[in-house]
Amino acid sequence: GAGVSQSPSNKVTEKGKDVELRCDPISGHTALYWYRQRLGQGLEFLIYFQGNSAPDKSGLPSDRFSAERTGESVSTLTIQRTQQEDSAVYLCASSKRLADYEQYFGPGTRLTVT
Amino acid sequence: GENVEQHPSTLSVQEGDSAVIKCTYSDSASNYFPWYKQELGKRPQLIIDIRSNVGEKKDQRIAVTLNKTAKHFSLHITETQPEDSAVYFCAASLSYNQGGKLIFGQGTELSVKP
Repeated sequence: GAGVSQSPSNKVTEKGKDVELRCDPISGHTALYWYRQRLGQGLEFLIYFQGNSAPDKSGLPSDRFSAERTGESVSTLTIQRTQQEDSAVYLCASSKRLADYEQYFGPGTRLTVT
Repeated sequence: GENVEQHPSTLSVQEGDSAVIKCTYSDSASNYFPWYKQELGKRPQLIIDIRSNVGEKKDQRIAVTLNKTAKHFSLHITETQPEDSAVYFCAASLSYNQGGKLIFGQGTELSVKP
């Protein structure tokens, strides 16, 4: 079946602009996660959803970052007033349920803030 | 919160040799430990995982060991091949209690020389 998809694959934006990143999880997966990967580094947890509820937003770096999810489907990560330090690959993952453990990753969105 | 340390950051081996990557974690309540392989420009792919009620798990040339007392786990790759060259990430998760969010190590760049 189809895997996790993300769009756009690449995004170049000017400092101060807002961006929206989209994630389509595997159909039927109730849990959805966002991570950030800076160049040459590991993945940092940002936020997760169980259905359309976000119980843990502890990883969001600042109030410029927000995310929402429609039902058990698509999620969008919004970054307002982008800064150069926001440049990274943003990865989305989904899992059948919270207790199912295995997370399947999307290809990521490479964000470059100039 | 959970913290994961991974060593070494780079590892170079000759084809056919074994490779070992080690990780330590800080939260004794962590109960799920996956390993991901990430090739350049690609998404992370789960290669093996272990839960806290198991001490060792094998899958062909790959094995993972877990020492809960010492709070460390290791990835062992035997008979390495050039296609094993990639960045490997370990992660730890409190799974159900914290929604399954993964805390990643900083990665190990493995190079297998023919």
